Amino acid sequence: DQQVKQNSPSLSVQEGRISILNCDYTNSMFDYFLWYKKYPAEGPTFLISISSIKDKNEDGRFTVFLNKSAKHLSLHIVPSQPGDSAVYFCAASGSVGTSYGKLTFGQGTILTVHP
Amino acid sequence: GAVVSQHPSRVICKSGTSVKIECRSLDFQATTMFWYRQFPKKSLMLMATSNEGSKATYEQGVEKDKFLINHASLTLSTLTVTSAHPEDSSFYICSANQGNYGYTFGSGTRLTVV
Repeated sequence: DQQVKQNSPSLSVQEGRISILNCDYTNSMFDYFLWYKKYPAEGPTFLISISSIKDKNEDGRFTVFLNKSAKHLSLHIVPSQPGDSAVYFCAASGSVGTSYGKLTFGQGTILTVHP
Repeated sequence: GAVVSQHPSRVICKSGTSVKIECRSLDFQATTMFWYRQFPKKSLMLMATSNEGSKATYEQGVEKDKFLINHASLTLSTLTVTSAHPEDSSFYICSANQGNYGYTFGSGTRLTVV
């Protein structure tokens, strides 16, 4: 039962353009969402997060949008840079019940930004 | 910022032996740490929640006798893969919770069982 899904295994974008990474979730108990960037053989690095009380959070080139009714979030990177090439994971957590404090990850999307 | 140190980064062991992986929070105390496992081209799967001073909580399908977790202090959690087999080969990652959803991840351990 995949509670967090990233349906696009890969995304290729030209440098300078916008990268949009998508994530869907099914567990209505999730109320906090995070995006991580990961290189091979390294641990994930935190990028940006959003609480369910918001629908948008922005940090520099990274913006996360949350659509609670659709149980969908997206990460926008603009402008994209070659150094952004990595695997991006979305993760979700809940503040109550069995999902409290635990992160559930999506499958990841490989982003490649071409010069 | 907060740092979580994970050691070793790579380990190769023979089938049937045990391997210990350490996870340390360097500049903060972590009452809770999490252990994840990542299969090739797959998501990170939570294995267990490590609680300082008490027993770990394992996710469904994770063998607690196979993956021993000890959280003896507020800065150290260890994962021991006992009687390792080739199917245990994977990338193991720990994370520590600083509270208010501040998760910091270790750099991971690549375990290869031959």
